[in-house]
Amino acid sequence: DAKTTQPTSMDCAEGRAANLPCNHSTISGNEYVYWYRQIHSQGPQYIIHGLKNNETNEMASLIITEDRKSSTLILPHATLRDTAVYYCIVRDLNTGTASKLTFGTGTRLQVTL
Amino acid sequence: DVKVTQSSRYLVKRTGEKVFLECVQDMDHENMFWYRQDPGLGLRLIYFSYDVKMKEKGDIPEGYSVSREKKERFSLILESASTNQTSMYLCASSLLGYYGYTFGSGTRLTVV
Repeated sequence: DAKTTQPTSMDCAEGRAANLPCNHSTISGNEYVYWYRQIHSQGPQYIIHGLKNNETNEMASLIITEDRKSSTLILPHATLRDTAVYYCIVRDLNTGTASKLTFGTGTRLQVTL
Repeated sequence: DVKVTQSSRYLVKRTGEKVFLECVQDMDHENMFWYRQDPGLGLRLIYFSYDVKMKEKGDIPEGYSVSREKKERFSLILESASTNQTSMYLCASSLLGYYGYTFGSGTRLTVV
């Protein structure tokens, strides 16, 4: 699986867009980019995933560069409730039955007033 | 709403005890997972299962075993609890071949 690199921490003002970067320079052609977040004292929560096209859902947008070596998770209007650790994970779908994920240490996003 | 339920939110056990952590999902998911989370180490995979009675070791299986007798239930067993197994334990489930996991709220286990 491709390794990912994320900043350890970031701050964002409430109401502003939070842009969380992730580098995955060794990503291969059939590997997806997944994003999860973990709010304090809760289990991680799936946010979004993508292969090469940009994706958007009710929680966030995912922008993947054309060479697929990096991506950015965008929370368009961050609120205090978005304060969490955000994990970027790269994973190949074609691994048979063992669809297991490895979580790194992620980016701690602090949303402030 | 899809749900993964872990039987206890907080648990205190004594060293040497046999400990059972239970996880139940109501989504008919094939895959189930047990992770532990410790400060500075992130989430680490202990065991997972992709079918009833099937199990595979994750990255840190030592000192643990699992049981999956029914599709909806995945149990983590600490055969003889030790203080270094004090941790937050998280259960998750997903459809086969899919990485959109649903996690439970976690069980914070303290071994004294």
